[in-house]
Amino acid sequence: SQQGEEDPQALSIQEGENATMNCSYKTSINNLQWYRQNSGRGLVHLILIRSNEREKHSGRLRVTLDTSKKSSSLLITASRAADTASYFCATPLSGSARQLTFGSGTQLTVLP
Amino acid sequence: EAGVTQFPSHSVIEKGQTVTLRCDPISGHDNLYWYRRVMGKEIKFLLHFVKESKQDESGMPNNRFLAERTGGTYSTLKVQPAELEDSGVYFCASSQDQPLRDRTDTQYFGPGTRLTVL
Repeated sequence: SQQGEEDPQALSIQEGENATMNCSYKTSINNLQWYRQNSGRGLVHLILIRSNEREKHSGRLRVTLDTSKKSSSLLITASRAADTASYFCATPLSGSARQLTFGSGTQLTVLP
Repeated sequence: EAGVTQFPSHSVIEKGQTVTLRCDPISGHDNLYWYRRVMGKEIKFLLHFVKESKQDESGMPNNRFLAERTGGTYSTLKVQPAELEDSGVYFCASSQDQPLRDRTDTQYFGPGTRLTVL
């Protein structure tokens, strides 16, 4: 079954605006990761937040994690056209497995 | 430092043919993973190598898929015979080894191979 689910499925904003994407997951985790996929290209790792962290920043990215609600959000501030991509949250399975489970992604379109 | 590379970038084959995908991980990364995204659905795990050993192949869909990592360096994923439902993007990722108690290894993904089965 799908571990992570992103919301919304699609988001369209104007350049300069902020974009917020949400991710919900089902089981307990020790970290959550966000990836970006530009059209036709591979997945780029954006940020990892550990389960004992509540917020993390990287450049124009801000990630929050609420383990009580089993949810995370990714905020992109001052968006640019180059931010247009699909964004995925991913969590490792519980136990000793290292595989990542991905959500279905949010397609972000930033209009110039 | 070179990232994860995959070859070919695109492959178009007919149903029943064989295709072999290749992945070169980041040098020094013991962990190598295969994932795929089929028909715009979510990205799903296929299998995980630690060096040359298959650590977890629970995501392999059936016995038409065979993955190898001889020598613990590059890996190949062979689909034989290919079926229509195998079309999708196949991603490879690699990561450094991390202690189990701190499983925060970042997986670095390659650009993927887009497979089209006609």
